[in-house]
Amino acid sequence: DVKVTQSSRYLVKRTGEKVFLECVQDMDHENMFWYRQDPGLGLRLIYFSYDVKMKEKGDIPEGYSVSREKKERFSLILESASTNQTSMYLCASSSSGGGNEQFFGPGTRLTVL
Amino acid sequence: GENVEQHPSTLSVQEGDSAVIKCTYSDSASNYFPWYKQELGKGPQLIIDIRSNVGEKKDQRIAVTLNKTAKHFSLHITETQPEDSAVYFCAASIDNYGQNFVFGPGTRLSVLP
Repeated sequence: DVKVTQSSRYLVKRTGEKVFLECVQDMDHENMFWYRQDPGLGLRLIYFSYDVKMKEKGDIPEGYSVSREKKERFSLILESASTNQTSMYLCASSSSGGGNEQFFGPGTRLTVL
Repeated sequence: GENVEQHPSTLSVQEGDSAVIKCTYSDSASNYFPWYKQELGKGPQLIIDIRSNVGEKKDQRIAVTLNKTAKHFSLHITETQPEDSAVYFCAASIDNYGQNFVFGPGTRLSVLP
């Protein structure tokens, strides 16, 4: 059974803290994505990666960075968390060969106080 | 860039009735249109998709139609059941490989028993 796991379901941080959100997939997928989900706005792409050590900006990269040192792991970093980064964060992965389906993790609900 | 609109934002139907969710997109180059279902506490999951060379696709109780000229596509759910209650997202691809999407804002469907 395909699986995307995220390190935390719920996270509470303080303004200015450095925050790491981890995502691991066990499907040997080349592509990995980070989205944030806000009511009425749908899913907005923050960063994506098509290969190890490769990263591309999505629609809303400001205030975020990413790291992909291994194929199965994609990390989202909030260098200095702010209250407007309170949101649900979803990680997804997909295969480059055959099909376009993105497989999503369960999400991390981050609250920045 | 691509913009995807989705209507309605909320939809309530009686069990057994049909539900229709409509999306429009702006970029005529988009060629892949998936629909994702997100149940409470879970990540979105692909339920059906359609490519630009096809006008309609059906899978049991769900179907998707695409009108390329008008740049809109719709999700049809027949004989709705309580387990169809969820948030539904449409999306349109924004790259040539169909690996990257812009999502609509979502529709919360409630199926009333």
